[in-house]
Amino acid sequence: ETGVTQTPRHLVMGMTNKKSLKCEQHLGHNAMYWYKQSAKKPLELMFVYNFKEQTENNSVPSRFSPECPNSSHLFLHLHTLQPEDSALYLCASSQASYPTGELFFGEGSRLTVL
Amino acid sequence: GQNIDQPTEMTATEGAIVQINCTYQTSGFNGLFWYQQHAGEAPTFLSYNVLDGLEEKGRFSSFLSRSKGYSYLLLKELQMKDSASYLCAGSSGGYQKVTFGTGTKLQVIP
Repeated sequence: ETGVTQTPRHLVMGMTNKKSLKCEQHLGHNAMYWYKQSAKKPLELMFVYNFKEQTENNSVPSRFSPECPNSSHLFLHLHTLQPEDSALYLCASSQASYPTGELFFGEGSRLTVL
Repeated sequence: GQNIDQPTEMTATEGAIVQINCTYQTSGFNGLFWYQQHAGEAPTFLSYNVLDGLEEKGRFSSFLSRSKGYSYLLLKELQMKDSASYLCAGSSGGYQKVTFGTGTKLQVIP
């Protein structure tokens, strides 16, 4: 396994369901991110973790709950979502101390909320 | 906060040159990224400019003017595989706070 891996790739859930998105990076990076990508909208930064500590929460509703048990794994727990939360959720990692801060993205989890 | 603007769509001919512009307004600006995203795929890093000027990397070049809040991505000798969305993104307040524009969807035609 190389790079950034996200599972599941596709998820359909009802508004009362609870589900989780998983991200794993094999790059030895120490920062991980969740981004939301909706049609015709910019990529929106949701959360940033550095060395397992959350350093950024971009005013994300509490129905999205991140978890970072170690520098290689990142989860996004979902509950009581709304149809407008349907989007592509991208995980990324970077080497926090590297000057360019280049982001390495996973393929994304396509979420549909019914 | 940050505001990043770029054209929504562009069309160019195979073998030609295309320039994708990006303007930004941001506080605490560090540098400017360009990413490429093919349909249904993850964005991939193209370039990062911190200093004013042009940086060339093969067929792709990126330019930054900090005083004008302006950047462009230049693609030469266009190939069909260059059809993709090109995302302009600015970093501020630390390298990890990266804000993206809506992306420019480039279509390369024969």
